[in-house]
Amino acid sequence: EPEVTQTPSHQVTQMGQEVILRCVPISNHLYFYWYRQILGQKVEFLVSFYNNEISEKSEIFDDQFSVERPDGSNFTLKIRSTKLEDSAMYFCASRTGGPGELFFGEGSRLTVL
Amino acid sequence: AQSVSQHNHHVILSEAASLELGCNYSYGGTVNLFWYVQYPGQHLQLLLKYFSGDPLVKGIKGFEAEFIKSKFSFNLRKPSVQWSDTAEYFCAALNTGNQFYFGTGTSLTVIP
Repeated sequence: EPEVTQTPSHQVTQMGQEVILRCVPISNHLYFYWYRQILGQKVEFLVSFYNNEISEKSEIFDDQFSVERPDGSNFTLKIRSTKLEDSAMYFCASRTGGPGELFFGEGSRLTVL
Repeated sequence: AQSVSQHNHHVILSEAASLELGCNYSYGGTVNLFWYVQYPGQHLQLLLKYFSGDPLVKGIKGFEAEFIKSKFSFNLRKPSVQWSDTAEYFCAALNTGNQFYFGTGTSLTVIP
């Protein structure tokens, strides 16, 4: 069964460093999403991406964040200068067009020291 | 603003008890509804979904949900919970604008 894959599974970084989280969505999917979940808290929407541009973003997704689909298969989330409060599990998700559920990756745990 | 509300934040049940988790959405148009489950340390997995047709939908592991349009609700039910159902449960909605909204989640603890 096709699945969304995310790398790395865990990354530890120093505050102020740049981090890139990578996702490979399911190949025929058209909509791509990033969510984050701080330990013990709810799943928070960050950004959605369609047709090579951001379709919606939340207040969390400030200028420190960016997304890219550089080569038609990868979907990346970049955090330019990490803060302690960026420590969280980041989930990538994708879905087809029209009605359909989100398929989630297993997440990338980011720890900022 | 469109949203999904889950009123139960934390539910504790004994094994074999019946479960009902509330979910309400605020969107007047056509909406697709979902329940996801997140087992401890794992990613979100789909339990069940409603697109159209029979408002009572059945999902995996004995879960079901009923779409009541007049109440804007999509409550999740299971007649008899097991210890392995301990998890976080998220209701979600997809509207015609392709916006996907999650509720804040309900933490279910099942006591053996």
